[in-house]
Amino acid sequence: NAGVTQTPKFQVLKTGQSMTLQCAQDMNHNSMYWYRQDPGMGLRLIYYSASEGTTDKGEVPNGYNVSRLNKREFSLRLESAAPSQTSVYFCASSELGQIKNQPQHFGDGTRLSIL
Amino acid sequence: AQSVTQLGSHVSVSEGALVLLRCNYSSSVPPYLFWYVQYPNQGLQLLLKYTSAATLVKGINGFEAEFKKSETSFHLTKPSAHMSDAAEYFCAVTLSGGYQKVTFGTGTKLQVIP
Repeated sequence: NAGVTQTPKFQVLKTGQSMTLQCAQDMNHNSMYWYRQDPGMGLRLIYYSASEGTTDKGEVPNGYNVSRLNKREFSLRLESAAPSQTSVYFCASSELGQIKNQPQHFGDGTRLSIL
Repeated sequence: AQSVTQLGSHVSVSEGALVLLRCNYSSSVPPYLFWYVQYPNQGLQLLLKYTSAATLVKGINGFEAEFKKSETSFHLTKPSAHMSDAAEYFCAVTLSGGYQKVTFGTGTKLQVIP
């Protein structure tokens, strides 16, 4: 079982460059999430999608955009990367009917460095 | 609003010793509480969750946690540490009912000494 797959696993960008982080899940989950993890700060929610066709802002949405392409895929875009966006990014998913907004399955992360 | 505080960013135990990772929560209404584990270079895995049923919750890998409303705590324990338990552990909270986001603690790194 692949679960939640994130690509790429590592990326180095220059300030001002743009890129899209990809996430796909094969568990037929309705809800998907993007988090960033920074040392000493736990996980912070960037955006989430409760179901296909809907997206909502989380705690730290500034500088990011998302697209829920279909039920399987949820991408995160940095339009103009800044050093403050250096972080590890995690995608997660959960089933409808479980506790709302509780991520259940995580990808292995994308380690993003912005110079 | 809800929050969790994890006491101790690093905890070291000897192999075979009791593991105790502390989590205190703040919530205006009855909470749901979770513990996640993160192994190096991996995403988080759900260890266990409290959803207002039994106050003692058993999870995977021999871990359990007890919800204590009077102490606003949800500490994670395991009777005997194993080397494979070395990881980072996150406590998290959300509010029961409604559509609320999950708030994560800052994590506790567990080191197991052989």
